[in-house]
Amino acid sequence: DQQVKQNSPSLSVQEGRISILNCDYTNSMFDYFLWYKKYPAEGPTFLISISSIKDKNEDGRFTVFLNKSAKHLSLHIVPSQPGDSAVYFCAATVRGTSYGKLTFGQGTILTVHP
Amino acid sequence: DTAVSQTPKYLVTQMGNDKSIKCEQNLGHDTMYWYKQDSKKFLKIMFSYNNKELIINETVPNRFSPKSPDKAHLNLHINSLELGDSAVYFCASRRAGGDSPLHFGNGTRLTVT
Repeated sequence: DQQVKQNSPSLSVQEGRISILNCDYTNSMFDYFLWYKKYPAEGPTFLISISSIKDKNEDGRFTVFLNKSAKHLSLHIVPSQPGDSAVYFCAATVRGTSYGKLTFGQGTILTVHP
Repeated sequence: DTAVSQTPKYLVTQMGNDKSIKCEQNLGHDTMYWYKQDSKKFLKIMFSYNNKELIINETVPNRFSPKSPDKAHLNLHINSLELGDSAVYFCASRRAGGDSPLHFGNGTRLTVT
């Protein structure tokens, strides 16, 4: 039973446009959400996070939106750049007791075309 | 100057063998992890150690045995390897407490033939 799902295996976007990556979760106990970015042959690197007490967090070109009632979050990248081409993983956790136990989605491959 | 380093990067071995994967972090973090990325690309936690103490063990077969000689190292030993153990194994670390994110190594691709 996958508690975090990324239903789009891939996304293709033109440079300069907005990329929107989506993530759904089923466990209502999750209260902290993260996005990781992964290049081939490398480990995931942390991108941005959001607490369940917020509905938006922004860091430069990256914004994460959280809709708790829908158990849905999204990552917006604007403007998209070719260097953003990577696999993006959504992850969720329960703060405080889980010692960094993250539940990951299966990833979305983002390709940004010049 | 890799913060979390794993060796080897690739490991090809036969069924029934015993193998180890090493992990070291130079970030001064207290907590270290092993995650497994299976064929469906999901990353799943296997183990977590905090200051050399096992705190998470996610129903992993006891053929897998983590060892933490000190808080900067967390090695993974696998006995009697099976075909289904083929995966990419990622080591990670984080500073204990708060919402500090996990820092991952570059992974070890294990192929069991």
